[in-house]
Amino acid sequence: AQSVTQPDIHITVSEGASLELRCNYSYGATPYLFWYVQSPGQGLQLLLKYFSGDTLVQGIKGFEAEFKRSQSSFNLRKPSVHWSDAAEYFCAVGEGGTGFQKLVFGTGTRLLVSP
Amino acid sequence: DAGVTQSPTHLIKTRGQQVTLRCSPKSGHDTVSWYQQALGQGPQFIFQYYEEEERQRGNFPDRFSGHQFPNYSSELNVNALLLGDSALYLCASSPGNSPLHFGNGTRLTVT
Repeated sequence: AQSVTQPDIHITVSEGASLELRCNYSYGATPYLFWYVQSPGQGLQLLLKYFSGDTLVQGIKGFEAEFKRSQSSFNLRKPSVHWSDAAEYFCAVGEGGTGFQKLVFGTGTRLLVSP
Repeated sequence: DAGVTQSPTHLIKTRGQQVTLRCSPKSGHDTVSWYQQALGQGPQFIFQYYEEEERQRGNFPDRFSGHQFPNYSSELNVNALLLGDSALYLCASSPGNSPLHFGNGTRLTVT
């Protein structure tokens, strides 16, 4: 069965500093990989996705992620964090033929941004 | 253009009762999926509907059932509520097999 591990429950970053959120997945074939962001009381917003092609993918709000098959990782990065980036971030992997639909999520990483 | 809308936003039920949650997909979207997000956890896939049929199902008991209507809107029904069913229930839609757009969810509290 597929699984996603986000090893950091909380991360605190100073505003303007760089950010890297870690994600490791377990899946036999080429995975569909996603990063979603959830603000308090809100649903999930898709930041970026990977399912083929260039292993460095660009997303919205200045985020990017790199797929590394050898490390089974899909880490999320941002060069300069803004206070509005404070939220919960979820990594997810898509299953089977309908890779966008049945997603397995990690437990999330809560990002705190300090002034 | 409205996104995915869910109703109600909050709901309190008593153990053993039944509940129905509703979802209207984003305009142009024909596929609806439901997820359960317990406090402090990531969302868990319940099931997916397309063409008014359940297409995929996660590891949830038969107490969880759903329906999709001809206008693509959907309902999630949970029977015989347990305390452990307390969670945020998220509806997501997409145009076919494409990335999901999530609603803001229904917060269900079972007492």
